Amino acid sequence: SQQGEEDPQALSIQEGENATMNCSYKTSINNLQWYRQNSGRGLVHLILIRSNEREKHSGRLRVTLDTSKKSSSLLITASRAADTASYFCATDAGYGGSQGNLIFGKGTKLSVKP
Amino acid sequence: NAGVTQTPKFQVLKTGQSMTLQCAQDMNHEYMSWYRQDPGMGLRLIHYSVGAGITDQGEVPNGYNVSRSTTEDFPLRLLSAAPSQTSVYFCASSYSVSGSGNTIYFGEGSWLTVV
Repeated sequence: SQQGEEDPQALSIQEGENATMNCSYKTSINNLQWYRQNSGRGLVHLILIRSNEREKHSGRLRVTLDTSKKSSSLLITASRAADTASYFCATDAGYGGSQGNLIFGKGTKLSVKP
Repeated sequence: NAGVTQTPKFQVLKTGQSMTLQCAQDMNHEYMSWYRQDPGMGLRLIHYSVGAGITDQGEVPNGYNVSRSTTEDFPLRLLSAAPSQTSVYFCASSYSVSGSGNTIYFGEGSWLTVV
């Protein structure tokens, strides 16, 4: 079953604008990760935030985590056409006894128009 | 550094045929896994391995078989392909399963169509 659910399912913005994607999850987690997938390619790790962290930055990416609301957000500032991709949140919830397994949401499809 | 390599990239199978998707990683990672991705869905875990000789089932294991005879390789076998197995398959690996904060490295995917 899906653990993380991204919102919105699709997002279309102009270059230079900020893009915000949200992720909600159901059970307690050790950490939450965000991945990016370009069309026809594999997933690439973007950023990881641990359950005891509230905010994390990496370049133009800002991730927040609210464990009380079981939600996270990914903000991409000053978006570029090259940011066009699908973005997935994934939680490391110890599925099947292994802390290495990730449970992915359905993703947000971001389109950045030049 | 090749990372995670999957073959083949594309494959068309007839119902009932068997085949093996190959996956190899050159990062000496303990953990390897297979996911499938269907339209409008996230990735769902099929099988995973925490080390050579050790495998376990994920969320959707039915119809698939795996083995881990070496650290580097983790093939996924479809014993009798069904149209419901039409999907994109991703192999992934990470350094360790212990503790939290493991970055997963993905292969480029294998597009499988079962007719």
